[in-house]
Amino acid sequence: TQLLEQSPQFLSIQEGENLTVYCNSSSVFSSLQWYRQEPGEGPVLLVTVVTGGEVKKLKRLTFQFGDARKDSSLHITAAQPGDTGLYLCAGAGSRLTFGEGTQLTVNP
Amino acid sequence: NAGVTQTPKFRVLKTGQSMTLLCAQDMNHEYMYWYRQDPGMGLRLIHYSVGEGTTAKGEVPDGYNVSRLKKQNFLLGLESAAPSQTSVYFCASSYRGRSYEQYFGPGTRLTVT
Repeated sequence: TQLLEQSPQFLSIQEGENLTVYCNSSSVFSSLQWYRQEPGEGPVLLVTVVTGGEVKKLKRLTFQFGDARKDSSLHITAAQPGDTGLYLCAGAGSRLTFGEGTQLTVNP
Repeated sequence: NAGVTQTPKFRVLKTGQSMTLLCAQDMNHEYMYWYRQDPGMGLRLIHYSVGEGTTAKGEVPDGYNVSRLKKQNFLLGLESAAPSQTSVYFCASSYRGRSYEQYFGPGTRLTVT
């Protein structure tokens, strides 16, 4: 079974701060996806990273795939209350495996 | 274009009762999935389907059955509900398999008392 561990599990910060969320595994993935989930809704895809070392930017969000394709990080610059939500990473191995999620709260 | 829809949104069952959750997608996707989401455990795959008429077990299939008689619909059944099945259930679909984006429904909150 391929496992993905996310850290931290909970993160509460003030508006304007920067943060990084980590997604780690001992397994190699062909690609890795990041989703955001808001209360009462299903997850929505933010980005897919495919190549080891790849960096993708989505406005204030920066996603990086580890060189060995076993880990990934999500960095948010100048967080805003609208960034509040559950962030899930998912690795594509024999099937898509989800991490436990990071619950982010950005306080005004 | 509604995407992925799930019915019902909420349900309360007593132990031993049965029910069926319905998922429908209008994106002509081949793959469909049922997940459960519990606090601190992320999304766990229950069953999935790679096409009409086919189903396969996921990570936590015990106590659940599924059927995919039509390409656009994927049903999840609980034959004899147990309190351990209290969870939020999400249906998802994707164009093809594991590397493709999954589109999720809004979820069904099930409580078994």
